[in-house]
Amino acid sequence: SAVISQKPSRDICQRGTSLTIQCQVDSQVTMMFWYRQQPGQSLTLIATANQGSEATYESGFVIDKFPISRPNLTFSTLTVSNMSPEDSSIYLCSVYGGALPYNEQFFGPGTRLTVL
Amino acid sequence: GENVEQHPSTLSVQEGDSAVIKCTYSDSASNYFPWYKQELGKGPQLIIDIRSNVGEKKDQRIAVTLNKTAKHFSLHITETQPEDSAVYFCAASRYSSASKIIFGSGTRLSIRP
Repeated sequence: SAVISQKPSRDICQRGTSLTIQCQVDSQVTMMFWYRQQPGQSLTLIATANQGSEATYESGFVIDKFPISRPNLTFSTLTVSNMSPEDSSIYLCSVYGGALPYNEQFFGPGTRLTVL
Repeated sequence: GENVEQHPSTLSVQEGDSAVIKCTYSDSASNYFPWYKQELGKGPQLIIDIRSNVGEKKDQRIAVTLNKTAKHFSLHITETQPEDSAVYFCAASRYSSASKIIFGSGTRLSIRP
């Protein structure tokens, strides 16, 4: 499996501000993803982070609100911009491919965000 | 697109008894079905998966079954223990398209001592 770390693990932010979440994996992976998990809910894919190009966003998510970077094969960031209380969620990084078992997708510990 | 339904949403079983969680999917092209366990304050952890060329897979106290004709798959946990208490998610995807793993709504499993 992969060792995935996320920073920060949790944060409390004021509305209108932005927060950047970092995801670091201990091996080179083919794909990195960002998910959102609202309280008591399932996981919703926000976007696929592509190395060297713009992220691929799912329906309902846009780059201006959730800009994503992926400068190399082991690191990605997700920014939650102009936050509102509705953005309070757990944000999860996930990885796939590279040296990992084929077709198995692994998740980081998550970043718990509370927006006041 | 793919839709995955999961039942029940909550499940409480006596320690030592078995627990069964069931999922159905809509995309007949789906051929990879992972199960994740999420403990409080942690990210989902892959616990077992099954591919469409297999009807059943077992790993110690955990087993998964797949019925492709009926498009449903199930997780079975035998001899449940307190540490089995968690939220379990089923998921489905096409073998070659990891970015489209679709998750079920989750089952909160509680083990009564």
